[in-house]
Amino acid sequence: GAVVSQHPSRVICKSGTSVKIECRSLDFQATTMFWYRQFPKQSLMLMATSNEGSKATYEQGVEKDKFLINHASLTLSTLTVTSAHPEDSSFYICSVPSPNRGLGTEAFFGQGTRLTVV
Amino acid sequence: QKEVEQDPGPLSVPEGAIVSLNCTYSNSAFQYFMWYRQYSRKGPELLMYTYSSGNKEDGRFTAQVDKSSKYISLFIRDSQPSDSATYLCAMSEGFQKLVFGTGTRLLVSP
Repeated sequence: GAVVSQHPSRVICKSGTSVKIECRSLDFQATTMFWYRQFPKQSLMLMATSNEGSKATYEQGVEKDKFLINHASLTLSTLTVTSAHPEDSSFYICSVPSPNRGLGTEAFFGQGTRLTVV
Repeated sequence: QKEVEQDPGPLSVPEGAIVSLNCTYSNSAFQYFMWYRQYSRKGPELLMYTYSSGNKEDGRFTAQVDKSSKYISLFIRDSQPSDSATYLCAMSEGFQKLVFGTGTRLLVSP
C-alpha cells in the first residue's frame, strides 16, 4: 500500500489565489519531508526541505514567501502556493525519506499534485 | 554541465527486448544510486537501490554502478508493455538529498 499520501492529486485555481497541498506519511513518522517540482519533460527539482518543528530549508532560487511550508506534525507537511500565477503551473511532489538509515537515501514519493493556474 | 545527465528518449523497443538505461554524473562524492519508475502524472516509485559500485539484480531488473567512470545503468530483461514509463536515475552524497536525472521515457510495444 501507499507509504506517502499526497492530496489533492489535481487542482485548478485562478491566478492570484492560494493553493494548499498536503503530504502525509502513512507508515512512519518523518521529521523531514521534501518538496519537489517537476515541469514537463524535466527532472524533479528539489524546492525545499520541510523540517518538523522548525523552519523549512529552501533551495536557491525558490521564494520562501511564495511557497509556504508547514511541518506541524511528524506525519504531515503542507505546501501552500500563495498568489499563484500561471508560471507556477507544475507537478508538485513530496517525498519522505526511509527511516531505515542503513539504506541511505531511499525515499518514498507521494502521488503528486498537478497544479494548473488559469 | 548538469550534475546528472540522462538521455530523455523516447526509447522504443519491442516486447521481450533487453532495455539499457543509463546516466552519467559529475560529482564523485555520490555514493547512493537509485532508479525510479514514474508513470504519467504519478509520483516516482523506487525500483532499485545501490550503494557504491557494483551490480544488483531484482527479478528482471539489474542495476550497475561504475564509480570510476561515473556511469550507472539499469537493465530490463524481457521487457513488457507494462514497463512503458519514464525511468529516473537519482543519486546522493549521503542521506536524504537526491539529485535526479531528467528521466528516460521508455515505450515497449506489444
